[in-house]
Amino acid sequence: KAGVTQTPRYLIKTRGQQVTLSCSPISGHRSVSWYQQTPGQGLQFLFEYFSETQRNKGNFPGRFSGRQFSNSRSEMNVSTLELGDSALYLCASSFGRQETQYFGPGTRLLVL
Amino acid sequence: GDSVTQMEGPVTLSEEAFLTINCTYTATGYPSLFWYVQYPGEGLQLLLKATKADDKGSNKGFEATYRKETTSFHLEKGSVQVSDSAVYFCALTLGSGAGSYQLTFGKGTKLSVIP
Repeated sequence: KAGVTQTPRYLIKTRGQQVTLSCSPISGHRSVSWYQQTPGQGLQFLFEYFSETQRNKGNFPGRFSGRQFSNSRSEMNVSTLELGDSALYLCASSFGRQETQYFGPGTRLLVL
Repeated sequence: GDSVTQMEGPVTLSEEAFLTINCTYTATGYPSLFWYVQYPGEGLQLLLKATKADDKGSNKGFEATYRKETTSFHLEKGSVQVSDSAVYFCALTLGSGAGSYQLTFGKGTKLSVIP
């Protein structure tokens, strides 16, 4: 079974731009969560989607948003990028909300 | 709030040495506990998990036991290899009824194994 896939793997943007990251979960998984990883803050939860609805959101500004489609694929969007948004963005999927989460390889975003 | 505390790294060991990475947690309710591993340039891989007290998770020679009385989930391996060099993360999720299933991570422990 294919794992979680994330595209693109690498991105370079400039301050003020916006970016959209994509995540395709493991086949049959309906829950998708997003995490941000930075050297300073470590791994932080962004949001969780299940059945196309955001179920939970971490402590991030409104510039960070996401959505989930009927096929469980998910996208996250960051508007008005700031230098501090440079990070590895990880997507994780699980069969159900309470099930074990499996991670993709991440998208590394660099904001210049 | 819920939190996970891991031993500070980096940890450097010789091949075939014994590994222990300490992890303690603070949580309301009855969390599930996990160890994830991150190899350079990659995402997180699930290493092992335990969902209730006294459960032992094991995989690839690694083991960890869910100790409710000491709120701990220490990772151990009897004989490390160079290929075990990576960053190890201890994490928890709250159980059913909490309404939230996000993973809360420790800061990670970098392990380097030298030949």
